[in-house]
Amino acid sequence: DAEITQSPRHKITETGRQVTLACHQTWNHNNMFWYRQDLGHGLRLIHYSYGVHDTNKGEVSDGYSVSRSNTEDLPLTLESAASSQTSVYFCASSDPGAGGSEAFFGQGTRLTVV
Amino acid sequence: KQEVTQIPAALSVPEGENLVLNCSFTDSAIYNLQWFRQDPGKGLTSLLLIQSSQREQTSGRLNASLDKSSGRSTLYIAASQPGDSATYLCAVEIYNQGGKLIFGQGTELSVKP
Repeated sequence: DAEITQSPRHKITETGRQVTLACHQTWNHNNMFWYRQDLGHGLRLIHYSYGVHDTNKGEVSDGYSVSRSNTEDLPLTLESAASSQTSVYFCASSDPGAGGSEAFFGQGTRLTVV
Repeated sequence: KQEVTQIPAALSVPEGENLVLNCSFTDSAIYNLQWFRQDPGKGLTSLLLIQSSQREQTSGRLNASLDKSSGRSTLYIAASQPGDSATYLCAVEIYNQGGKLIFGQGTELSVKP
């Protein structure tokens, strides 16, 4: 079965360190997204990509970057981790089509910045 | 700017009850609306997707309706069970925004045995 997997599931890092969260999907979807989930804010879009070498900023992109070198992977990098980036991060993918399409999510990465 | 609201934030019901979760959105220019389930510490599981041209979708004991003109969707759960306890999220895909989703903050459902 096709799936979307994230790693690691849990990560503790120190302020100022660079951190990369992995996302891998086997749906062969062109669209991939990164969201963060925080109490009181719900899920908010960080970055997204519509295909290889395409990346775009979302609502809360400051301090984050992504790269898309193939269809399957969209790693999320925190350039210099800050305590405000403590959150649960979700990767999602969908297939562009007329009328939109169903989105599928990974299991999430819980990141703690100390 | 599209805003999505879910009421109530939390709901507790006895097992066997039929219940309705509400989702409202401010801009009717949407491609679709999706309902998700999230268990504690887990990811989001897609339950139902309603295209903007559709009025409702059904899957087992779940039925979701969409009224674009009034900016509302409801998720109806029939004969609730303790295993239905979870947080339910609705999200809209904005028209011509390439799959980006705007989420409500969810309804936390507890079904008591």
